[in-house]
Amino acid sequence: GQNIDQPTEMTATEGAIVQINCTYQTSGFNGLFWYQQHAGEAPTFLSYNVLDGLEEKGRFSSFLSRSKGYSYLLLKELQMKDSASYLCAALDSNYQLIWGAGTKLIIKP
Amino acid sequence: GAVVSQHPSRVICKSGTSVKIECRSLDFQATTMFWYRQFPKQSLMLMATSNEGSKATYEQGVEKDKFLINHASLTLSTLTVTSAHPEDSSFYICSARDGTGGDTGELFFGEGSRLTVL
Repeated sequence: GQNIDQPTEMTATEGAIVQINCTYQTSGFNGLFWYQQHAGEAPTFLSYNVLDGLEEKGRFSSFLSRSKGYSYLLLKELQMKDSASYLCAALDSNYQLIWGAGTKLIIKP
Repeated sequence: GAVVSQHPSRVICKSGTSVKIECRSLDFQATTMFWYRQFPKQSLMLMATSNEGSKATYEQGVEKDKFLINHASLTLSTLTVTSAHPEDSSFYICSARDGTGGDTGELFFGEGSRLTVL
């Protein structure tokens, strides 16, 4: 079956760095997305990786290893507004998005 | 970035009535649109994939006669919840793929519509 695993909840301190991991098992693979979702709002796009390696975009970076079925989202210089759920989603061979349940990130002062 | 507008953002209706939710891509052509539902504290669940000019593809367990999807143009898809019941109360979100990016084009999400059925 197809499956996405990511931690349910993480806690970090303002100004610190946090890494949110995601492992996936899909029928074929056409890329991996990370989305941010604040409570009661729609998800917003953060990153898309289809090749191995690290992609940096400001305070946020995303890494992909296709051979390991693994990705992570790295958030630097954490701010209180970064408190949100972070969704990992993989695009399978039929171009369907397989969503993880999301990681709730709690930022403490 | 590209904008997807979803309307209405909140709707309250009586049990047995029908509600229509619109999803528009404002500055790009969306050949494919997706409709999701999210129950409290749960992840997004794909309901159906809508392709312009053809019938929507529904996920297993989603009643196509209850959730009517129409994608009549490259910028508009609608979801109609027919004969709504309290258990249909949920957060409905649409997303659209920028057709220029092909099948791996970035997905853009609407603001979501919170439906409450009394």
